[in-house]
Amino acid sequence: NAGVTQTPKFRILKIGQSMTLQCAQDMNHNYMYWYRQDPGMGLKLIYYSVGAGITDKGEVPNGYNVSRSTTEDFPLRLELAAPSQTSVYFCASSYPGAEQYFGPGTRLTVT
Amino acid sequence: AQKVTQAQTEISVVEKEDVTLDCVYETRDTTYYLFWYKQPPSGELVFLIRRNSFDEQNEISGRYSWNFQKSTSSFNFTITASQVVDSAVYFCALRAQGAQKLVFGQGTRLTINP
Repeated sequence: NAGVTQTPKFRILKIGQSMTLQCAQDMNHNYMYWYRQDPGMGLKLIYYSVGAGITDKGEVPNGYNVSRSTTEDFPLRLELAAPSQTSVYFCASSYPGAEQYFGPGTRLTVT
Repeated sequence: AQKVTQAQTEISVVEKEDVTLDCVYETRDTTYYLFWYKQPPSGELVFLIRRNSFDEQNEISGRYSWNFQKSTSSFNFTITASQVVDSAVYFCALRAQGAQKLVFGQGTRLTINP
């Protein structure tokens, strides 16, 4: 099993550009999550999904969008990138009520 | 509101020393789950342990042990005979039953010096 995979690993965006961070898992987990980790901080939840076709906002959803068309994939879309979105983004997945397994992260810089 | 506090921002010890990482949490929920994750220099988050609020039994896994005390709202993590490979940032996290969000502490950066 590859677990949770994320692409790209690194990205530099200019202010106002858009991009999609990809996340996939092969563990047949129902639940998937997107977090961001700012320097020296813990992770904060952006969006989550409890199954295909179902998504919901977390703590810090502004400036982001998600979709969940399949169990395996959970892409995160950034529209009109801003410097405040410079962060490391982690995707995670889990069975309901169980521990979350994280991908390797995407380091995003917006300049 | 839920909150996790890891008061130790950085700890540095010499290899083979024992080290304890503190975690104090706040929640009004009666059922909740506590977690520890390790973030090595490579950046990924590695799951270490999950503990249910109704199970206060301490856990030992090799050189790692966890002490859960509801009376003091603490879930401390001890590494015995530390090794250089234990160097990482360690996060404590809390999730209420039925909630999706993990509430993370700010992390403790542990450095094990040879």
